[in-house]
Amino acid sequence: DTEVTQTPKHLVMGMTNKKSLKCEQHMGHRAMYWYKQKAKKPPELMFVYSYEKLSINESVPSRFSPECPNSSLLNLHLHALQPEDSALYLCASSTRSLSSQETQYFGPGTRLLVL
Amino acid sequence: GQQVMQIPQYQHVQEGEDFTTYCNSSTTLSNIQWYKQRPGGHPVFLIQLVKSGEVKKQKRLTFQFGEAKKNSSLHITATQTTDVGTYFCAGRMRGSTLGRLYFGRGTQLTVWP
Repeated sequence: DTEVTQTPKHLVMGMTNKKSLKCEQHMGHRAMYWYKQKAKKPPELMFVYSYEKLSINESVPSRFSPECPNSSLLNLHLHALQPEDSALYLCASSTRSLSSQETQYFGPGTRLLVL
Repeated sequence: GQQVMQIPQYQHVQEGEDFTTYCNSSTTLSNIQWYKQRPGGHPVFLIQLVKSGEVKKQKRLTFQFGEAKKNSSLHITATQTTDVGTYFCAGRMRGSTLGRLYFGRGTQLTVWP
């Protein structure tokens, strides 16, 4: 099973709203990622969690706040977003093994529209 | 800046024609992964190449990793309309321990029936 699930599938929010995106995997993976993808562009890395600890923050604005409550769950808390933050937000996970053969599996994404 | 270059950006082919997309890195990669993203979908893992000069096949898809582990290609033989989508390569830099992938910009494939 290589399934990563994300909820919600679609989200429309105003600039003053607070919302959260959720990601879950039950593959025993110890690394989880948030990516942002704009139309016709590759995914852009936002955050990496390794063993539930934040290991990479790609200079993401503080209106995006990640959280990793346990090894299976990853949240992205959204507050005071801007219209340009509208995008597909992808979660991914990988084994976090020390070998070079680490594959990232993506969830279906949340399509976010900020009005 | 862009560390993995991918060309072409767009490719339009008639059904039955072949298709190839190329990726090139300025630095040596420890591995390279290929993903396919259908319109409106999410990236789906296709394959990972690890060894220098490695060639892997999946039905009509052939993946190659260069001898220097700096370039890779995906070739589709006799395209079908189901091959439509954007193909991304994503390389992991040698020495990277944090799982970061560097994505190419993708090649958007259109197949006309």
